[in-house]
Amino acid sequence: DGGITQSPKYLFRKEGQNVTLSCEQNLNHDAMYWYRQDPGQGLRLIYYSQIVNDFQKGDIAEGYSVSREKKESFPLTVTSAQKNPTAFYLCASSIQDSSYEQYFGPGTRLTVT
Amino acid sequence: KQEVTQIPAALSVPEGENLVLNCSFTDSAIYNLQWFRQDPGKGLTSLLLIQSSQREQTSGRLNASLDKSSGRSTLYIAASQPGDSATYLCAVSQGGKLIFGQGTELSVKP
Repeated sequence: DGGITQSPKYLFRKEGQNVTLSCEQNLNHDAMYWYRQDPGQGLRLIYYSQIVNDFQKGDIAEGYSVSREKKESFPLTVTSAQKNPTAFYLCASSIQDSSYEQYFGPGTRLTVT
Repeated sequence: KQEVTQIPAALSVPEGENLVLNCSFTDSAIYNLQWFRQDPGKGLTSLLLIQSSQREQTSGRLNASLDKSSGRSTLYIAASQPGDSATYLCAVSQGGKLIFGQGTELSVKP
């Protein structure tokens, strides 16, 4: 089955700890994205990568870091510098063709106390 | 800066009604527009994608239209069913990125 997997589904951390969210895709898509969703709000772009070993900041990159060492994987680290890390995190990927249609994973809900 | 707005924020209708969800955007220089569905606590499912050169797309009971010049898109759902209850999000593609509206939460009552 082709798709995007995110793990874990729920994640709990203490304040001050870094945490890494996993995103893997087997769709052979070139581009991958990380979004954050807060209650009652749309998605906001954190980071995106259009090719291996390259990534760009989105609208709310402060307090986050990413890597893109493999085409299939785009992990997101939420650092202790992120002031309000509790949120629902969504990963997406797209093929770089004429549509740029994005496909989404199931999400990870992070709670920091 | 591109801004995407969805009205209404929430909508409740009886089963069987036809309904329209609205999406507006401030900058008409978009590559495409996507409509998504999101169930509570889940990821997004792509419903329809309209390229900037297209006027509409249809999939089953769903029809999405795009008027770039006026910065508007509508999602028409025919003969609504309780299973259509979800949040519907529109997003415009610009510079290789998607900019999302805040969504319309739809409830279809049996």
